[in-house]
Amino acid sequence: KAGVTQTPRYLIKTRGQQVTLSCSPISGHRSVSWYQQTPGQGLQFLFEYFSETQRNKGNFPGRFSGRQFSNSRSEMNVSTLELGDSALYLCASSLGQYQETQYFGPGTRLLVL
Amino acid sequence: KNQVEQSPQSLIILEGKNCTLQCNYTVSPFSNLRWYKQDTGRGPVSLTIMTFSENTKSNGRYTATLDADTKQSSLHITASQLSDSASYICVVSDSGTYKYIFGTGTRLKVLA
Repeated sequence: KAGVTQTPRYLIKTRGQQVTLSCSPISGHRSVSWYQQTPGQGLQFLFEYFSETQRNKGNFPGRFSGRQFSNSRSEMNVSTLELGDSALYLCASSLGQYQETQYFGPGTRLLVL
Repeated sequence: KNQVEQSPQSLIILEGKNCTLQCNYTVSPFSNLRWYKQDTGRGPVSLTIMTFSENTKSNGRYTATLDADTKQSSLHITASQLSDSASYICVVSDSGTYKYIFGTGTRLKVLA
């Protein structure tokens, strides 16, 4: 079974631009969660989607948004990029129940200049 | 405030030795506690998930313990290997909000 895939793997943007990241979950998984990882803050939860609905949300500003499609693929969008948005963005998929194992993708490394 | 603290921040051990990593949390109400291994430049990989009623769970050479009364968990690595060099992250889920609170991790280096 193919693992979680994320595209693109690397991205360079400038302040003020917007960016869209994509995540394809493991086949059959209905839940996709997004995380931001920085050296200073570590891993932080952004949001979780289940069956095309946002089920949970972390404490990030509204510039961070996401969606999930009927095939469970998910996209994350960050508008009006700031230097502090430079990070590794990880997505994880699971079947959908809260106690289950999450499988992480390799991440998208975003650099904002 | 819900927090997860891990210690030590970093650790260097010789191949073949055992080590124990600590995780203390203040998350309440508690849902589950997870340990992840993250190799440099890669996504985390789940090692164990424990709920309130479980106090030990093993995954090969990795054994996690949980004391829900004292809100402490540990990850014990037996007979370490060079491939164990990674960051180990403790994550606690809040059963009220189902949000995940991450520790900042312990960076382990295993030397030959």
